[in-house]
Amino acid sequence: EAEVAQSPRYKITEKSQAVAFWCDPISGHATLYWYRQILGQGPELLVQFQDESVVDDSQLPKDRFSAERLKGVDSTLKIQPAELGDSAMYLCASSLMEVNTEAFFGQGTRLTVV
Amino acid sequence: KQEVTQIPAALSVPEGENLVLNCSFTDSAIYNLQWFRQDPGKGLTSLLLIQSSQREQTSGRLNASLDKSSGRSTLYIAASQPGDSATYLCAVPSSSNTGKLIFGQGTTLQVKP
Repeated sequence: EAEVAQSPRYKITEKSQAVAFWCDPISGHATLYWYRQILGQGPELLVQFQDESVVDDSQLPKDRFSAERLKGVDSTLKIQPAELGDSAMYLCASSLMEVNTEAFFGQGTRLTVV
Repeated sequence: KQEVTQIPAALSVPEGENLVLNCSFTDSAIYNLQWFRQDPGKGLTSLLLIQSSQREQTSGRLNASLDKSSGRSTLYIAASQPGDSATYLCAVPSSSNTGKLIFGQGTTLQVKP
């Protein structure tokens, strides 16, 4: 069964260091999402791609976060410098189209900033 | 602005019980509603997607209903098992960006043997 792949599963980093997460969506899915989930809360969208273009990055802290999907397939989310408040689960999801299709999520990357 | 609320936040039931999880949303103009399951420390698993034209969707022991006019959805779990213990999240598309999902805070379910 097709899955959204994410790596690493866990990451511990010191504050002020750089960290990067990788996501490979389900083959053929044009829309890719990065969500952040703080413990005990629902996920919140950070950035949404349609193919290689950013559709929504209104909640992305652009002073320290960046995201790219250069060839419209896999994607990287980077944080530089990491802050203690960035500790969370980072979830990647994909869907076949932008509108009215089921979203499938990966296993997530658990980030701990110390 | 779309907001999603799930009640209760936590639920503990004995094995074998039938149970209902509730989800409410503020903007009824939605394309669909999706229910997810999340095990501790893991990602989200899609359980059911209900289109706005549907009133119910079933998968095994799970049945989800949707009442758009009242802004409510329920997830019914029949004959609960310890393996059903997890957090259940509902999500609807944003009013301004229909690709973006707005999530509730989830209901954490514990099924005791």
